[in-house]
Amino acid sequence: NAGVMQNPRHLVRRRGQEARLRCSPMKGHSHVYWYRQLPEEGLKFMVYLQKENIIDESGMPKERFSAEFPKEGPSILRIQQVVRGDSAAYFCASSQSSGVFNEQFFGPGTRLTVL
Amino acid sequence: GENVEQHPSTLSVQEGDSAVIKCTYSDSASNYFPWYKQELGKRPQLIIDIRSNVGEKKDQRIAVTLNKTAKHFSLHITETQPEDSAVYFCAARGTEGKSTFGDGTTLTVKP
Repeated sequence: NAGVMQNPRHLVRRRGQEARLRCSPMKGHSHVYWYRQLPEEGLKFMVYLQKENIIDESGMPKERFSAEFPKEGPSILRIQQVVRGDSAAYFCASSQSSGVFNEQFFGPGTRLTVL
Repeated sequence: GENVEQHPSTLSVQEGDSAVIKCTYSDSASNYFPWYKQELGKRPQLIIDIRSNVGEKKDQRIAVTLNKTAKHFSLHITETQPEDSAVYFCAARGTEGKSTFGDGTTLTVKP
């Protein structure tokens, strides 16, 4: 039973390029959450999605960032025109259902470096 | 929105000693408090959690206490071992899905 998968694990982009981060939730999970972790900081909530729906995007910057979770395939976090400040580890987590008490299982993260 | 503060930021103990990490939260609507352990370069992993209707929960060497009135909760690790060395994060969750994390405590257990 594979856990949450993320790819790529490491991504290097130059300023102005686009970054696409993928997250495949655990089998049977239909809820995905994206978090960003800056060096030596905690995880910051970005967005919560269910299949084909964005439930809460209150933590996502209004510009350059977007997320989707299509009916088929992985969830995608897209960052357009990356800047150095976007360098961070991006973790996704998945849960089987909604609700405050549902455990969120984290993926291994994608470490984005912007040159 | 919710704000979670975590102390201390670093903690060094001798093997066999106890370690205590404390967190405070601001939103009285938060009712779920998980703790995660993150080893260098790895994913966060849930080690214990507590719901707001419970004051204390224990799992072997790990325990968590919650004081809802004061809005603070703590992680207690007894008989620490070198493999307990990692970064520990507390979190608070109220509305479904959205967790607010503390900034982490780097625990070092010296053999």
